[in-house]
Amino acid sequence: EIVMTQSPATLSVSPGERATLSCRASQSVTSNLAWYQQKPGQAPRLLIYGASTRATGLPARFSGSGSGTEFTLTISSLQSEDFAVYYCQQYNYWPTFGGGTKVEIK
Amino acid sequence: QLQLQESGPGLVKPSETLSLTCTVSGGSISSSSYYWGWIRQPPGKGLEWIGNIYYSGTTYYNPSLKSRVTISVDTSKNQFSLKLSSVTAADTAVYYCAILGGNEGVSYMDVWGKGTTVTVSS
Repeated sequence: EIVMTQSPATLSVSPGERATLSCRASQSVTSNLAWYQQKPGQAPRLLIYGASTRATGLPARFSGSGSGTEFTLTISSLQSEDFAVYYCQQYNYWPTFGGGTKVEIK
Repeated sequence: QLQLQESGPGLVKPSETLSLTCTVSGGSISSSSYYWGWIRQPPGKGLEWIGNIYYSGTTYYNPSLKSRVTISVDTSKNQFSLKLSSVTAADTAVYYCAILGGNEGVSYMDVWGKGTTVTVSS
């Protein structure tokens, strides 16, 4: 099993500021990495796949980078609707998810 | 646009079999472009992949659940289904169905259903 570790567990950010979320894989997943956003009571929503490709309609303030074992999701200027929990998921082998990063209002 | 809707009992007794159905609308489950999957999320916890299926019946299962999971497809009803046997309280979760992206048997989840809550309790 490939273990995905996300950090930090909670990120306190002010609206308009930049948020940087990290995801580390226990072994290389090449670029087979996706990011999801989940708001309370809702299903996850795909943001990024292939480590850096934005899903259809996703605002440009969201960007993904990395390959191998280290990945980053960056939100360049946080909007009120961006406060949520973010999960990474690898699909290089059978899929596994990270534990999530909660982005909260500072 | 493809949409998904989960359905099934919200309460299942311990040791019994959990059965859920995902109905696909806005397109055909027999499309060669898509794989279909199940994911779950225990209360207050993270996401766990359960398994995927292609319309032809080819399946991919999470090794940790494989002995208890069966995923099947019914093309005549445009549905795919999940059965999880010998359930315990640890199987209490929100269960989601999803469309996979990338036209691969193991991939990311492109579109998600809204989810259905299943509680295992006597």
